[in-house]
Order: sequence, then structure tokens, then C-alpha cells
Amino acid sequence: DAGVIQSPRHEVTEMGQEVTLRCKPISGHDYLFWYRQTMMRGLELLIYFNNNVPIDDSGMPEDRFSAKMPNASFSTLKIQPSEPRDSAVYFCASTPQEFTGNTIYFGEGSWLTVV
Amino acid sequence: AQSVTQLDSQVPVFEEAPVELRCNYSSSVSVYLFWYVQYPNQGLQLLLKYLSGSTLVKGINGFEAEFNKSQTSFHLRKPSVHISDTAEYFCAVSPSGGYQKVTFGTGTKLQVIP
Repeated sequence: DAGVIQSPRHEVTEMGQEVTLRCKPISGHDYLFWYRQTMMRGLELLIYFNNNVPIDDSGMPEDRFSAKMPNASFSTLKIQPSEPRDSAVYFCASTPQEFTGNTIYFGEGSWLTVV
Repeated sequence: AQSVTQLDSQVPVFEEAPVELRCNYSSSVSVYLFWYVQYPNQGLQLLLKYLSGSTLVKGINGFEAEFNKSQTSFHLRKPSVHISDTAEYFCAVSPSGGYQKVTFGTGTKLQVIP
């Protein structure tokens, strides 16, 4: 089975540009998560969806960040405008159903560098 | 609210030596506990998890962890490490009820020295 698929794997962009990260969760998984990983802050949950509906976006750092999930097989995380401090690895992850003991399945990450 | 503490940010260990990575948690409710591993340039993947039952949990690649409720710990152990175990290891906790919210620790980098 295909895992969580993220694109792009690597992106280098200039400050002020719009960045869109994409994610395809595992088929049948009702929960989708966006995480950000940095050396300073570790792994942070930005937002998560249940059945395409955003449930908790309290981790989104500021209004420059937005996330959507138009259908069960696709989600985007957008940063507009981007800043150098947004440089990080962004992970998408998914898990089936509501059971909190479920394994979270991570994608390989999108490595973002803003210069 | 819940939290996870991984006191050791880096742990160097010689190949074939035993290793223990420490994890302590705090929560006002019952929890599930997890260890995830992140190999270089990859996403996290599950090593093992404790949901209920036996407090000694065995995972992939020869790792095991023991849940200690009185000490609120979930330390990860391996009796003999291999070069391929070089990775970052994350402890995580989630409430055993309620909505889906997992809290990850800050990670421990295991460096296996040949």
C-alpha cells in the first residue's frame, strides 16, 4: 500500500513568495495532520483534520499559514508570504478513525528553505 | 494537558553495546504511549506502543520499552545496538480517550559508534 505522499520533497524559495505544500493521505484514513519540525522547536502540530474538516488549528503560527482539505485524498498547506523563519521540514501524517491509540503514519516530509 | 520529557538530546553508544533512551510523561488522564524512530531524511515511523496489558512492550528491530505508571516513565531499550540504529527517537503520548491529540517529545539522537 502506498504511504502518505508529500510534494515537493525539497523547495527553496525567496522571502515573500507563496509556498504550497501538498499531501495525499493513506486511503481510508479519516485524520490528517500537518506537523513542522525545526531544530529549535522540535516537532509541532500545526493543524489536523477529521473527515476533511479542520478540528484544531491552534498550532498554526500566524495568519500567513493556511491549510485546506478539499477532499479525502488531498490537502495543502500554504504559506503566504514566506519568511526565512519558516524554513523547516513539514510533515503530513494520517491515521484511521478516532482511536487515540492508532499509529500515525508520516510522509517523508517537505524540506522548505526560505532565503 | 499532557507533556513528554526526553532528557537526553543525544546518546552516543558503541556498536553491540546496550542502550536505554529515557522518556517521562505527565498527564491528568490515562494515556497511551509510543516510540517513533526517524532515520535521516525520512519521516517518523512507529517502533512500538503501549495501549494496555503487559507493561513490557516489544517493537520492531529488537527494541522494547517498559511502562512504569508509578514513575510515569516509558524508557526504550535495546540489548545490543547496530550501526543501522543510528536515528532520532521520539517518545509520544496521547490521552486514552477524547479527541485525537498526540504530544511528541523533543527527540533523542542515538549515535552508534563503530
